[in-house]
Amino acid sequence: DIQMTQSPSSLSASVGDRVTITCQASQDIRNDLNWYQQKAGEVPKLLISDASRVEAGVPSRFSGSGSGTDFIFTITSLQPEDFATYYCQQYDSLPYTFGQGTKLEIK
Amino acid sequence: QVQLQQRGAGLFKPSETLSLTCDVYGGSFSGYYWSWIRQPPGKGLEWIGEINFEGTTNYNPSLKSRVTISADTSKKQFSLKLTSVTAADTAVYYCARTPRDGSILVFDSWGQGTLVTVSS
Repeated sequence: DIQMTQSPSSLSASVGDRVTITCQASQDIRNDLNWYQQKAGEVPKLLISDASRVEAGVPSRFSGSGSGTDFIFTITSLQPEDFATYYCQQYDSLPYTFGQGTKLEIK
Repeated sequence: QVQLQQRGAGLFKPSETLSLTCDVYGGSFSGYYWSWIRQPPGKGLEWIGEINFEGTTNYNPSLKSRVTISADTSKKQFSLKLTSVTAADTAVYYCARTPRDGSILVFDSWGQGTLVTVSS
């Protein structure tokens, strides 16, 4: 299985901050990476596919980059509704696997 | 807009067979893969497996010996069976649509989640 490692596991930030989360794959996954947001008690929501393609309706403050084994997820100018847990997920190889999550909390 | 509605029991005893069904409303069933994903309390997400409208399945090897995913295209529903459950199978179980756009695969629509507890 491809292991997905996110960093950090948790992060405290303030409204208006710029936040970066990294995701590292245990082997080359090309651009086959998605990012999801999960708020407490809610289902995950797809934000970014193909490493950098922002889904329709997702605010432009969310972005993704990277390829191969190293990926970055960025939120510019944090909003109150952005405090949640974020997961990366690879689909390059079966079984599809997720990172362990990054919990973004209010400072 | 597609909606996924899950149903099934939420409490099982060890060694029993977990069974959940996901009904698909407001969208096509054909042409897609359909997945089951679970999330233990306070933990991350684990993909269980998927099925397409033709009945082709893929399973997570970690669960393959105990999992069966089936589909009824005429009813626009798909189901999960997990045998010999233990406390380690306690989790919120989600169904999800899994479209493929060329080489891109996503989980873009999710069921509401079902908390399954395994306890004697």
